[in-house]
Amino acid sequence: SQQGEEDPQALSIQEGENATMNCSYKTSINNLQWYRQNSGRGLVHLILIRSNEREKHSGRLRVTLDTSKKSSSLLITASRAADTASYFCATVLTGGGNKLTFGTGTQLKVEL
Amino acid sequence: SAVISQKPSRDICQRGTSLTIQCQVDSQVTMMFWYRQQPGQSLTLIATANQGSEATYESGFVIDKFPISRPNLTFSTLTVSNMSPEDSSIYLCSVSGSGYYEQYFGPGTRLTVT
Repeated sequence: SQQGEEDPQALSIQEGENATMNCSYKTSINNLQWYRQNSGRGLVHLILIRSNEREKHSGRLRVTLDTSKKSSSLLITASRAADTASYFCATVLTGGGNKLTFGTGTQLKVEL
Repeated sequence: SAVISQKPSRDICQRGTSLTIQCQVDSQVTMMFWYRQQPGQSLTLIATANQGSEATYESGFVIDKFPISRPNLTFSTLTVSNMSPEDSSIYLCSVSGSGYYEQYFGPGTRLTVT
């Protein structure tokens, strides 16, 4: 079964608003990553947060990690129409080498 | 980051046939992976392609159905054998470097089996 469950499954917002997506996982992780996928194409790596980190920023992205709750959130601030995509969390399990286990994904639509 | 290309980008195949997908990287990489993404779904890891040895398959995927080759550090192939409509998916390869957890993905191969 999928390691990560994401919510919401779909999110529609207006340009300029913030978008928050949540990811929950089941077992101990080495790190958690977020990826973006545009229209069924290849995935683009956005950000990685290690299990000993609580928060990380990259441009308009902010990721938090709560290992006690086994959850993470991705915040996109001041969204743009170009942010319209599917967003996936992916975990590297402790002792799992480099293998990624993907969450179910959130479809984000940013409307003008 | 690495630049990854896949061939073909899409194909429509008849059931019972096989299709080989190629993945080419512009630099030598340690790890190469193959994923399947069924329509509207997330990604599922099929196998890790190991250079010079047999691929490591995930639960639910077998070598007879998805044979993989990796003759060198920049190239790998995935064959989808004896296809059925249930194999209709996007197949993606990805790579990562030694000591790095981030993966870089190819553009994917969209396969439709009729």
